[in-house]
Amino acid sequence: DADVTQTPRNRITKTGKRIMLECSQTKGHDRMYWYRQDPGLGLRLIYYSFDVKDINKGEISDGYSVSRQAQAKFSLSLESAIPNQTALYFCATSDRGTSGFYEQYFGPGTRLTVT
Amino acid sequence: QKEVEQDPGPLSVPEGAIVSLNCTYSNSAFQYFMWYRQYSRKGPELLMYTYSSGNKEDGRFTAQVDKSSKYISLFIRDSQPSDSATYLCAMSFSNDYKLSFGAGTTVTVRA
Repeated sequence: DADVTQTPRNRITKTGKRIMLECSQTKGHDRMYWYRQDPGLGLRLIYYSFDVKDINKGEISDGYSVSRQAQAKFSLSLESAIPNQTALYFCATSDRGTSGFYEQYFGPGTRLTVT
Repeated sequence: QKEVEQDPGPLSVPEGAIVSLNCTYSNSAFQYFMWYRQYSRKGPELLMYTYSSGNKEDGRFTAQVDKSSKYISLFIRDSQPSDSATYLCAMSFSNDYKLSFGAGTTVTVRA
C-alpha cells in the first residue's frame, strides 16, 4: 500500500462550491504539507503542519484552509472554488532521516478542475 | 524574477546519451539543493540532495552545485527510456520545510 494517499484523485467542480481534498499517511511522520503544481510554475507551498497543533501558511494560502485531524491526516479545503484554483494538488510528509536531512515524500496528487 | 529558474524543455535524447539539466537561482542564502523526478501522473520523488557547493554522484546520476554562479546541474549518464520524466530542481535555506521549486524540465529518452 502507498505510504501517502490522496483522495479524490480527480475532481471536477463548479465555481463557488466548497471542496475538500484529503491526505493520509502511514509513514508516522509529524510534518505534512500541501502544494499545488501549475504548468511553468513548479510546486508552490499552500500550508504546512509540523504537528497536530501547529499549522502554518505557505506562500499561496489565500482561498484555502486546512485541518490536521490527526498525525496521519491533513485535509485541504477550498471554501469557494474559483477557476484559477484549477491545478494539480500534492500532499507531502517529512521526517528527519538518519542523515539528518528532512526528505519530503509526496502523494500521487489530486487533479482539480474548477469550471 | 522567479527565485528559481529552470528551462521547461522539452528535452529529447537518444538512449545512451548524457542528459544535462540545470537551474539558476537568485538567493545566495540557499544551502540545500535537491533534484526530484516526477513520472506522469505521479508525485515527485527525491533523486539526490547536496548541501552547499560541490558534486555528488549516485550511480548514473551526478549533481553539481556552483554557489559562486548560483547554478546547479544534474547529469544522467547512459540514459534509459525509464529515465523519461519531469525533473524538478528545488532548494531551501536550511534543512527545514520550505522548498523553492523550479518549473521542471520534461525529458524523453528515445529507445
